Amino acid sequence: GQSLEQPSEVTAVEGAIVQINCTYQTSGFYGLSWYQQHDGGAPTFLSYNGLDGLEETGRFSSFLSRSDSYGYLLLQELQMKDSASYFCAAGSGTGGFKTIFGAGTRLFVKA
Amino acid sequence: GAGVSQSPSNKVTEKGKDVELRCDPISGHTALYWYRQSLGQGLEFLIYFQGNSAPDKSGLPSDRFSAERTGGSVSTLTIQRTQQEDSAVYLCASSLGGTQTYEQYFGPGTRLTVT
Repeated sequence: GQSLEQPSEVTAVEGAIVQINCTYQTSGFYGLSWYQQHDGGAPTFLSYNGLDGLEETGRFSSFLSRSDSYGYLLLQELQMKDSASYFCAAGSGTGGFKTIFGAGTRLFVKA
Repeated sequence: GAGVSQSPSNKVTEKGKDVELRCDPISGHTALYWYRQSLGQGLEFLIYFQGNSAPDKSGLPSDRFSAERTGGSVSTLTIQRTQQEDSAVYLCASSLGGTQTYEQYFGPGTRLTVT
């Protein structure tokens, strides 16, 4: 089967750094994406790793290790508006179109 | 430019009725996806379309679910003989495809309630 595992909840304080881990088990793995979803909103794309290593996009960075079937999303300089759910998603199959999402990590940012 | 749009935004239906959900992807996006999200849960892959290729229907939960994409643009997800467990938010997304397939743009979703 295909599955992704990530922690259900993470709490951090404003200004801190938080890491959300994701381990995956997918056949024909293509790459790992990260999405943010605020309550009542639609998911929005944050980052993608097709190759091993670190990708940096502003305050957000994402990492992938194919050999470990593991990735993480790193959020720096946390702000209250970062309180949301974060999903890792694995692309698989031809062209990586088939996308399987993890159950999501709920991030609470405290003042 | 215009984003992904979905209609209706909310749909309440009686158990056993059929429903149709519509998705208008971003113009020029060749890939289109349907997902289902239950309250507080992750996104469940249902189906994707890519260009003129046969759709990947491997995520459809039963034969009551079907989807089509006409002219490589608008897509309709049909649920026949709805059941209460079909209640969820149905999300549509589109992407450029090719090397940009991983960046999916989501519509606001259709909240389906089966009574």
